[in-house]
Amino acid sequence: EAQVTQNPRYLITVTGKKLTVTCSQNMNHEYMSWYRQDPGLGLRQIYYSMNVEVTDKGDVPEGYKVSRKEKRNFPLILESPSPNQTSLYFCASSLVRVGYEQYFGPGTRLTVT
Amino acid sequence: KQEVTQIPAALSVPEGENLVLNCSFTDSAIYNLQWFRQDPGKGLTSLLLIQSSQREQTSGRLNASLDKSSGRSTLYIAASQPGDSATYLCAVLTQGGSEKLVFGKGTKLTVNP
Repeated sequence: EAQVTQNPRYLITVTGKKLTVTCSQNMNHEYMSWYRQDPGLGLRQIYYSMNVEVTDKGDVPEGYKVSRKEKRNFPLILESPSPNQTSLYFCASSLVRVGYEQYFGPGTRLTVT
Repeated sequence: KQEVTQIPAALSVPEGENLVLNCSFTDSAIYNLQWFRQDPGKGLTSLLLIQSSQREQTSGRLNASLDKSSGRSTLYIAASQPGDSATYLCAVLTQGGSEKLVFGKGTKLTVNP
């Protein structure tokens, strides 16, 4: 089954404790991205990747890091999480950036206390 | 800067009604527009993708139209069912030096039995 998976689905952590949210797709997609969704603000892009070793900032990259060492994986790293990073995070992928629909993962609900 | 607006923010209709959801965007330089469905606590499911050169796309009871010059798209849902209850999001992939997917804040649809 074609899908985007994220782990963990739910995470409660404390300020400053480094964490990684994993994202994996099994569709051989070149393009992957991370979004956060907040009430009243909608979905905002954090980072995206056009292919292996090619990443770029989205609208709200501060406080986040990403890497794309393999085509299928695109982890999101929070080096020192803060309460304002409490949010619902989505990973997405598409065959290429333009012209193809985006597939979304189920989401990771992160709470930073 | 691209801005996407969806009106209304919420809509409640009786089962069986035909309905229209609206999406407008400020910059007509787009590659495509995509409509998504989001169920509570779940990820986004792609419904329809309209390329900038197309006028409409249909899938089952759903029909999406695009008027790029006026910066508008509509999602038409025929013979609504309680299972259609969800939040519907539109997103545009903008052209330019930093192509990005920009989302509207969504329309929360409730179809009452």
